[in-house]
Amino acid sequence: AQSVTQPDIHITVSEGASLELRCNYSYGATPYLFWYVQSPGQGLQLLLKYFSGDTLVQGIKGFEAEFKRSQSSFNLRKPSVHWSDAAEYFCAVGLSNTGKLIFGQGTTLQVKP
Amino acid sequence: DTEVTQTPKHLVMGMTNKKSLKCEQHMGHRAMYWYKQKAKKPPELMFVYSYEKLSINESVPSRFSPECPNSSLLNLHLHALQPEDSALYLCASSQGQGDGYTFGSGTRLTVV
Repeated sequence: AQSVTQPDIHITVSEGASLELRCNYSYGATPYLFWYVQSPGQGLQLLLKYFSGDTLVQGIKGFEAEFKRSQSSFNLRKPSVHWSDAAEYFCAVGLSNTGKLIFGQGTTLQVKP
Repeated sequence: DTEVTQTPKHLVMGMTNKKSLKCEQHMGHRAMYWYKQKAKKPPELMFVYSYEKLSINESVPSRFSPECPNSSLLNLHLHALQPEDSALYLCASSQGQGDGYTFGSGTRLTVV
């Protein structure tokens, strides 16, 4: 069965520090992978996506993610976190046969001044 | 226009009321979705419309009734809801599988 696991429920980093959010997926075919960010009470904003080609993808707001097929991972990174990055982050896999998105449970990012 | 617009932003309704949530996109996307999101949880898929036809219903209770009047509009009609249906209802659209979804900002629904 298809699934997405985000092992870290809550992460706290200091402003200016680097960030890595982990995501592991289970899907038999080549996955479509996405990272979304959600601020409180808001909808989800697409940060970046991967479905083929270069395994290091760049997104908006200075985020990047690396697809590692051997580890079934798609970790999100940012070199220097800003206070405005505090939010909920969701990793998702798109099912190629239906177009459905399967979301991970989310990681809450807190940024310390 | 690169947005998905949802109205209203907030809705309080009684358990005997009938109300509708509305969603609109003008990006020419062929697929539209309704998701339900409870606090501190990921979104849960409710319905998928593809080319204005209902393609997926995730066993949603009949008190939720979707409608797609045309390729730009998606409605969710609500009737006889329960307090546990209180949640953030998100609409999304997409052009293709690899594009990801564009989400609206949601309707915060409270059932009293």
